Amino acid sequence: GAGVSQTPSNKVTEKGKYVELRCDPISGHTALYWYRQSLGQGPEFLIYFQGTGAADDSGLPNDRFFAVRPEGSVSTLKIQRTERGDSAVYLCASSQLTSGGAEKYFGPGTRLTVL
Amino acid sequence: AQSVTQPDIHITVSEGASLELRCNYSYGATPYLFWYVQSPGQGLQLLLKYFSGDTLVQGIKGFEAEFKRSQSSFNLRKPSVHWSDAAEYFCAVGPMDSNYQLIWGAGTKLIIKP
Repeated sequence: GAGVSQTPSNKVTEKGKYVELRCDPISGHTALYWYRQSLGQGPEFLIYFQGTGAADDSGLPNDRFFAVRPEGSVSTLKIQRTERGDSAVYLCASSQLTSGGAEKYFGPGTRLTVL
Repeated sequence: AQSVTQPDIHITVSEGASLELRCNYSYGATPYLFWYVQSPGQGLQLLLKYFSGDTLVQGIKGFEAEFKRSQSSFNLRKPSVHWSDAAEYFCAVGPMDSNYQLIWGAGTKLIIKP
């Protein structure tokens, strides 16, 4: 079946604006993850959903960042009052299980540029 | 502190040559260890993972990695690289009880010379 998809692939916005980034996980995957990858760095954990609930949002950098997954499938990462430092590639991943060995499947990412 | 170090930012090898990408980690407990590959415009793809047992693990695309507990290393190897292996490679470690947080290295960009 289809892999993890993310839209848009690129988003350019102005400082102070609000953005939404969407993630469509693989069908049937209960776990969903958001990461942020800055240039020259590995991914940085943001938030993890188990079903509809955020099981761990400890990676969200501040209260401008929020994510939802209302029906346990599609997730939206929302960033308010964007800052230039928010510019990065935002990655979404999903997995069928949450045990240590469960393989995560990553989407291609959304490149966010804040001018 | 928990960390993953990939000492080489870039590595250039000739097509057909052997490859070794280094990964060292610092982790308080016994971790799960992963190698991922990221090609331009593609999502991160899992190459291989180590949990326990045989310290030499085989992955996809002809890659293998060896876990050396005494050296806190998990180096990735391939006997003969192909031009299609040009990509960025990430080492990551995570807890055994869940996988929702991984600690990632900064990546090594592999360049293949024809």
